[in-house]
Amino acid sequence: DIQMTQSPSSLSASVGDRVTITCRASQSISTYLNWYQQKPGKAPKLLIYAASTLQSGVPSRFSGSGSGTDFTLTISSLQPEDFATYYCHQSHSAPITFGQGTRLEIK
Amino acid sequence: EVQLVQSGAEVKKPGESLKISCKGSGYSFTSYWIGWVRQMPGKGLEWMGIIYPGDSDTRYSPSFQGQVTISADKSTSIAYLQWSSLKASDTAMYYCARPGVVGASTAAFDIWGQGTVVTVSS
Repeated sequence: DIQMTQSPSSLSASVGDRVTITCRASQSISTYLNWYQQKPGKAPKLLIYAASTLQSGVPSRFSGSGSGTDFTLTISSLQPEDFATYYCHQSHSAPITFGQGTRLEIK
Repeated sequence: EVQLVQSGAEVKKPGESLKISCKGSGYSFTSYWIGWVRQMPGKGLEWMGIIYPGDSDTRYSPSFQGQVTISADKSTSIAYLQWSSLKASDTAMYYCARPGVVGASTAAFDIWGQGTVVTVSS
């Protein structure tokens, strides 16, 4: 199985900050990497697919980059509604796997 | 509107059986795979398995193989997740989700159900 490791596990930041979350795959997954946002009690929401493509309707302050084994999710200017947990997900091969999550909290 | 609507919360006792559902609408149900994802309380997302309603081709995560059964009824556009004998450790939120590429079992999940809470307690 491909292991996905996110860092940090949790992060405190303020509104307006620029934030970066990283995700590392245990083997190369090309750009088969996706990012989700999950708020308490809600289903995950797709933010970015294929490493860097913004899902329709997602604000442009979210961006993704990377290929191979190392990926990043960046939020350019945090908004109050961005405080949530973020997961990476590899869709390169089965069994598909998720990172353990990064909890983004208000400082 | 493309959506997946899941069945309601369940409270069961250990050893009981259970079948939860996920109804797709607004798209060609038989053209997209539907997966199931577990989220235990306070924990992350775990992929359980996936089914292609068009021909019922089913794949399971090794972690869940033999523990659950995934099925689908294309006549009603409903996918199912079932247990024959629940354990307390099955207590979790269960989501169905659709990979957003026709015929692809491993694409990004673009549509998610609202989740079904399963509580197993004596």
